[in-house]
Amino acid sequence: KQEVTQIPAALSVPEGENLVLNCSFTDSAIYNLQWFRQDPGKGLTSLLLIQSSQREQTSGRLNASLDKSSGRSTLYIAASQPGDSATYLCAVAKSNSGYALNFGKGTSLLVTP
Amino acid sequence: GAGVSQTPSNKVTEKGKYVELRCDPISGHTALYWYRQSLGQGPEFLIYFQGTGAADDSGLPNDRFFAVRPEGSVSTLKIQRTERGDSAVYLCASSHQPPGNSPLHFGNGTRLTVT
Repeated sequence: KQEVTQIPAALSVPEGENLVLNCSFTDSAIYNLQWFRQDPGKGLTSLLLIQSSQREQTSGRLNASLDKSSGRSTLYIAASQPGDSATYLCAVAKSNSGYALNFGKGTSLLVTP
Repeated sequence: GAGVSQTPSNKVTEKGKYVELRCDPISGHTALYWYRQSLGQGPEFLIYFQGTGAADDSGLPNDRFFAVRPEGSVSTLKIQRTERGDSAVYLCASSHQPPGNSPLHFGNGTRLTVT
């Protein structure tokens, strides 16, 4: 069974800092890996999707990398802002389907002004 | 354009009752998913629809849970004989085809509380 772990569970940084969120998974046979953002009481917003054949994806101040062989992904956030405060979830899709996602528990990020 | 809409946003019911949760996906999205999220946990996969049919219902916890999508658009998740352990946020998502190549768009969820 695929296990997805996110470290740290919580993180507090001052505004302007660059930061890295970590995600690891136990089964390297994945279809893709996705990073989501969840605000309190809301659904999930897709941030980045990396296919299993890709190494990284970038969107604005966000960069996600994927090392499938070692079962790791990182989400890099540059020049953090208070509006980045949210829970960030990593999810991997099974290799034979691509639709059933296994999620980590998330990293709760607080960016202080 | 409109996102994924879920109703109701909150539902409180007594143990043993029947509930229905509704999901309106983004127009044109043929793939629809239901997930369940307990407090402090990531979402857990329940069921995936491709069009009108349930392509994979392996995540449904038991036979008290059932979902339909009769016309390939709106979906309803049905829970019979609710138990306190069913309390969670039920999330619906939709995406373009093929699944796995396009991001999922989630609704805000229905918070179900079984008393």
